[in-house]
Amino acid sequence: DAGVIQSPRHEVTEMGQEVTLRCKPISGHDYLFWYRQTMMRGLELLIYFNNNVPIDDSGMPEDRFSAKMPNASFSTLKIQPSEPRDSAVYFCASSAGTVNQPQHFGDGTRLSIL
Amino acid sequence: GDSVTQMEGPVTLSEEAFLTINCTYTATGYPSLFWYVQYPGEGLQLLLKATKADDKGSNKGFEATYRKETTSFHLEKGSVQVSDSAVYFCALSDLNSSASKIIFGSGTRLSIRP
Repeated sequence: DAGVIQSPRHEVTEMGQEVTLRCKPISGHDYLFWYRQTMMRGLELLIYFNNNVPIDDSGMPEDRFSAKMPNASFSTLKIQPSEPRDSAVYFCASSAGTVNQPQHFGDGTRLSIL
Repeated sequence: GDSVTQMEGPVTLSEEAFLTINCTYTATGYPSLFWYVQYPGEGLQLLLKATKADDKGSNKGFEATYRKETTSFHLEKGSVQVSDSAVYFCALSDLNSSASKIIFGSGTRLSIRP
C-alpha cells in the first residue's frame, strides 16, 4: 500500500516567495496533520483536518501560513511570503478514525528559505 | 495538560549493547502509548504501541511495557545494531481531543558504534 506522499522532497527559494507544500494521505484515512520539525523547537503540530475540515489551526505560526484540504486525497500548506525562519522540515501525517490510532508520516519536505 | 518526558540524548552505545530509553507521561485518562522512530532523511515511523496497562508492545527486537503505576513506557532492546541509529520519540494519544491527536516527546537521538 502506498504511504503518505509529500512533494516536493526539497525546496529552496528566496525570501518573499510563495511556497506550496503538497500531501496525499493514505486512502481511507480521515484525519490529516501538518507538522514542522526544527532542531530548536522539535516537532510542532501546525494544523489538522477531519474529513477535509480544519479542526484546530492553533499551531499555525502566523497569517503567512495557510492550509487547505479540497478533497480527501489532497492537502496543501502554503507560506506567503516566506521568511528564512520558516526553514524546516515539514511533515504530513494521516490516521484512520478515532482516538488511540497511530499516525502515518510522509518523508517530509525540507524547506530552505534564503 | 497531558505530556510526555523522555530522556535527553544523544545516547551513544557500542554494537550489541543493551538499550534503555526512558519515557514517562502525564495524562488524565488512559491513553495509548507509542514509540516512533525517525531514520535520517525520513519521516517518523510507528515502532510499537500499547493500548492499556501492562500491555507490552514489541517490534524489531524492541520492547516497551505500559506501566500505569509508574506512568512509564521505557523502550528496551537487548542487543543494538548500527542500523538502529536514529531518533526515537515516545508519544501518547491525546484523550482530550476528539481526533487522533498524538502528543510527542522531544526525541532521543541514538548512535551505535560498530
